[in-house]
Amino acid sequence: DGGITQSPKYLFRKEGQNVTLSCEQNLNHDAMYWYRQDPGQGLRLIYYSQIVNDFQKGDIAEGYSVSREKKESFPLTVTSAQKNPTAFYLCASGGQGVNQPQHFGDGTRLSIL
Amino acid sequence: GEDVEQSLFLSVREGDSSVINCTYTDSSSTYLYWYKQEPGAGLQLLTYIFSNMDMKQDQRLTVLLNKKDKHLSLRIADTQTGDSAIYFCAALPNSGYALNFGKGTSLLVTP
Repeated sequence: DGGITQSPKYLFRKEGQNVTLSCEQNLNHDAMYWYRQDPGQGLRLIYYSQIVNDFQKGDIAEGYSVSREKKESFPLTVTSAQKNPTAFYLCASGGQGVNQPQHFGDGTRLSIL
Repeated sequence: GEDVEQSLFLSVREGDSSVINCTYTDSSSTYLYWYKQEPGAGLQLLTYIFSNMDMKQDQRLTVLLNKKDKHLSLRIADTQTGDSAIYFCAALPNSGYALNFGKGTSLLVTP
């Protein structure tokens, strides 16, 4: 079945450690997105990529990094510079054109040890 | 950036209709979306409407758009306990690809 796969479902980070969240899609979508969700805050955009080898910062990019080497994959690294990383992270993808809605993965919950 | 506002909570009895409301500030928004999120899960796309439409119906779901007032609503007919979830309204600005989300409305359906 086509869809978006995020892994792992749960992740724990130690102080000073970088961690990478995986996002893979087989929907042949050009655009991919990373959102952060905190309780009562809705979704906030971290990074997005409209095409391979290109990405743009969203509203809260500080302390995060991404790469887009393949169309199917858009990993997110939470660096040690992100001082409050505990949150639910959601990856989404969408086709080209403004009438192509975004579809979401099941999320990764990141916690601090 | 655009603001998207939703009421935080709604409680209805099983079998009644639910109406979840949303307002947005960017009048150039091209598409407006409703997503559903169950506990610990991602967002599931329910429906969306193009800004030149007034209404869209899809089975139990009816979306109404008042573009003049920048008001969007989602009506769920014959609400069931399985409809209990958080519902997010999102707007796509004319200027880009990234959606602007509201904070979500928690719908509780009681027997």
